[in-house]
Amino acid sequence: GQNIDQPTEMTATEGAIVQINCTYQTSGFNGLFWYQQHAGEAPTFLSYNVLDGLEEKGRFSSFLSRSKGYSYLLLKELQMKDSASYLCAVVDSNYQLIWGAGTKLIIKP
Amino acid sequence: DAGVTQSPTHLIKTRGQQVTLRCSPKSGHDTVSWYQQALGQGPQFIFQYYEEEERQRGNFPDRFSGHQFPNYSSELNVNALLLGDSALYLCASSRMGQGHYNSPLHFGNGTRLTVT
Repeated sequence: GQNIDQPTEMTATEGAIVQINCTYQTSGFNGLFWYQQHAGEAPTFLSYNVLDGLEEKGRFSSFLSRSKGYSYLLLKELQMKDSASYLCAVVDSNYQLIWGAGTKLIIKP
Repeated sequence: DAGVTQSPTHLIKTRGQQVTLRCSPKSGHDTVSWYQQALGQGPQFIFQYYEEEERQRGNFPDRFSGHQFPNYSSELNVNALLLGDSALYLCASSRMGQGHYNSPLHFGNGTRLTVT
């Protein structure tokens, strides 16, 4: 079967750095997305990785290792507004998105 | 430029009833995907519509059906509602084409369905 694993919940301090991990076992791989979802709102796109390495976009960076079936989302200079769920999703061989359950990130002052 | 809009925002139905949810895609998008999201879970793919046809389908029973209209808007129909159908139903639009699978999805705010 196909599986995406993320930690259920993480806590970090305002101004700090946090890394949210995602491991996947899917039938094929055509890229990996990270989305942010605030409570009661729609998911919004953060990043897309298809090649190994680090993609940096402002305070957020995303890393991919295809050989390890592993990705992480790195958030720097955390702000209270970063409190949200972070969803990892993989495009499989049928070009379907397989979603993780999401990681709830709690930011404390 | 309007994003993805969904209606209604909330809905309460009883077991056995039928429900229709509606979605208008973001301007310029021609593909609509529907997802079910239970509380504390990631979205589960129901199906995707492009050119008024169902192109892909997730692991959902035939009670879940849909339609796409010539203006790209879409409906999700659920028959014979079960308590377990209570969830947030998200519509996402994108643009089909070469490399479409790497195009980010744009989500609506969802319809919260409660089945009692």
